[in-house]
Amino acid sequence: AQKVTQAQTEISVVEKEDVTLDCVYETRDTTYYLFWYKQPPSGELVFLIRRNSFDEQNEISGRYSWNFQKSTSSFNFTITASQVVDSAVYFCALSEGSGGSNYKLTFGKGTLLTVNP
Amino acid sequence: DAGVIQSPRHEVTEMGQEVTLRCKPISGHDYLFWYRQTMMRGLELLIYFNNNVPIDDSGMPEDRFSAKMPNASFSTLKIQPSEPRDSAVYFCASSLGGVAHNEQFFGPGTRLTVL
Repeated sequence: AQKVTQAQTEISVVEKEDVTLDCVYETRDTTYYLFWYKQPPSGELVFLIRRNSFDEQNEISGRYSWNFQKSTSSFNFTITASQVVDSAVYFCALSEGSGGSNYKLTFGKGTLLTVNP
Repeated sequence: DAGVIQSPRHEVTEMGQEVTLRCKPISGHDYLFWYRQTMMRGLELLIYFNNNVPIDDSGMPEDRFSAKMPNASFSTLKIQPSEPRDSAVYFCASSLGGVAHNEQFFGPGTRLTVL
């Protein structure tokens, strides 16, 4: 069964600090997809990134970067020079790719990030 | 383009009443998902549809919950009878299916309070 663990329940930083959100996953499939979503105080879930299991290349998008390491089953998310607007709950999620059309997303419990001015 | 639309945004009802939540997916998306979010259990997938057909309802908590998708642009999640432990935020999401496991686009959610 698939499982996602976000061990950090809450993180608090001061603006401009770098912060890394950890995500560890479990799956028996060799084909799978990893996601990060952001849930700001307004409540909606916003897609940030998708990564498949065959692409271990790290990705950078502005102040955001993701480090995917299959050897440790981790898909960590780093925000560089954090801003108050980054304050939100961040969810890591996993979807197993075998079986043709299994699109079930399993979410971690989320990490509440608070960026203080 | 309009995103996923959910109604109502807030619902307060009394225990035992029937509750119907509604969702309009993004036009052209062929997958629709219903999730529930609570503090204790986090985000849980309840059921999902592909081309209006339920594919996996293993997350539906019990027989009091039912979901339908009569056409490609509308889905409902019904709770009958409702109980206080059903209080949660219910999200609907849609995605364009295919090999790539495309991202799911979420609606704003319906906050349900059962008294």
